[in-house]
Amino acid sequence: EAQVTQNPRYLITVTGKKLTVTCSQNMNHEYMSWYRQDPGLGLRQIYYSMNVEVTDKGDVPEGYKVSRKEKRNFPLILESPSPNQTSLYFCASSLRRSSYEQYFGPGTRLTVT
Amino acid sequence: QKEVEQNSGPLSVPEGAIASLNCTYSDRGSQSFFWYRQYSGKSPELIMFIYSNGDKEDGRFTAQLNKASQYVSLLIRDSQPSDSATYLCAVVNYGGATNKLIFGTGTLLAVQP
Repeated sequence: EAQVTQNPRYLITVTGKKLTVTCSQNMNHEYMSWYRQDPGLGLRQIYYSMNVEVTDKGDVPEGYKVSRKEKRNFPLILESPSPNQTSLYFCASSLRRSSYEQYFGPGTRLTVT
Repeated sequence: QKEVEQNSGPLSVPEGAIASLNCTYSDRGSQSFFWYRQYSGKSPELIMFIYSNGDKEDGRFTAQLNKASQYVSLLIRDSQPSDSATYLCAVVNYGGATNKLIFGTGTLLAVQP
């Protein structure tokens, strides 16, 4: 089954404790991205990757890191999480950057206390 | 001014009625327009896309685009309770510097049985 998976689905952590949210897709997509979704602000792009070893900042990259060492994986790293990073996070992928259909993962609800 | 604007709703319609969801965008260079549906607690899924002025129909869904007015809409005919969800409008300018999807904050649709 074609899908984007994320882990963990739910995470409660404390300020400053490094964490990684994994994202994996099995569709051989070139383009992957991370979004955060907050009430009243909608979906905002954090980082994106056009292919292996090619990543770039989205609209709200501060406090996040990413890497793309393999085509299927695109982890999101929070080196020192803060409460303002409490949000719902979605990973998405598409065949190419210009592809109109993005496939979203199930989401990760992160709470930083 | 937000790049993509939607009325947050809720838009309440009776079962069987036509639901009309509206979206305006600020970038005149925008070329592609998408409607995603997001059920509560779930990830967005693409339901319609439109590139050219006019109407595009797919089953009970019709997308309408008016580039001169910078306006895109989604009509849902014969609305069903299962259509109750948040509908996200998204816009992309492939020739722009960022070349990414910009999402609106979504309109919550509630279909009353």
